Amino acid sequence: GESVGLHLPTLSVQEGDNSIINCAYSNSASDYFIWYKQESGKGPQFIIDIRSNMDKRQGQRVTVLLNKTVKHLSLQIAATQPGDSAVYFCAETGNTGTYKYIFGTGTRLKVLA
Amino acid sequence: NAGVTQTPKFRILKIGQSMTLQCTQDMNHNYMYWYRQDPGMGLKLIYYSVGAGITDKGEVPNGYNVSRSTTEDFPLRLELAAPSQTSVYFCASQDTSNYGYTFGSGTRLTVV
Repeated sequence: GESVGLHLPTLSVQEGDNSIINCAYSNSASDYFIWYKQESGKGPQFIIDIRSNMDKRQGQRVTVLLNKTVKHLSLQIAATQPGDSAVYFCAETGNTGTYKYIFGTGTRLKVLA
Repeated sequence: NAGVTQTPKFRILKIGQSMTLQCTQDMNHNYMYWYRQDPGMGLKLIYYSVGAGITDKGEVPNGYNVSRSTTEDFPLRLELAAPSQTSVYFCASQDTSNYGYTFGSGTRLTVV
């Protein structure tokens, strides 16, 4: 069935280094992808999105890369800071035409001082 | 502009009790969703609504009911609480002009 999964459940990164969080998706019909950040005890917060007609999109310190050939999504965080410590989820729209998202299980990012 | 507001933040229920999780949004979004998040897991869709008077089942609807009498409110009802419903519940609304969700801060429910 449709699924969104993550390769690494926990990622530890030194403060100041770049972080890369990966996500695999299985539905080639998905046309929209979002990365969310969830801090402890809070609801997920939107970070960045990308449409299927793009392969890269940049935000402030974050970049999302989409490789449709291998159905892979990644989130790059530049100069990782302690405040980046959180669980990161990718989500896809699944079948075209729906606004419902399929969420991955999440990757916990730990920033080491 | 408060966004999405969920109440209560925490609740402990006994098996067989019922309760309603409240969710309200002030952004005039038509689409609203209820998700549950089990420990170490992603979000699973319980129910959703595309507008007042319209609701539909998500991936894990059993044991839950919803109603959508107004655009602002989307309460989630648990009729006979079971330990399997111990989870964190998130409500979200969606601006369909840009696809993004706005999540509430969650309700942590424990059924004992």
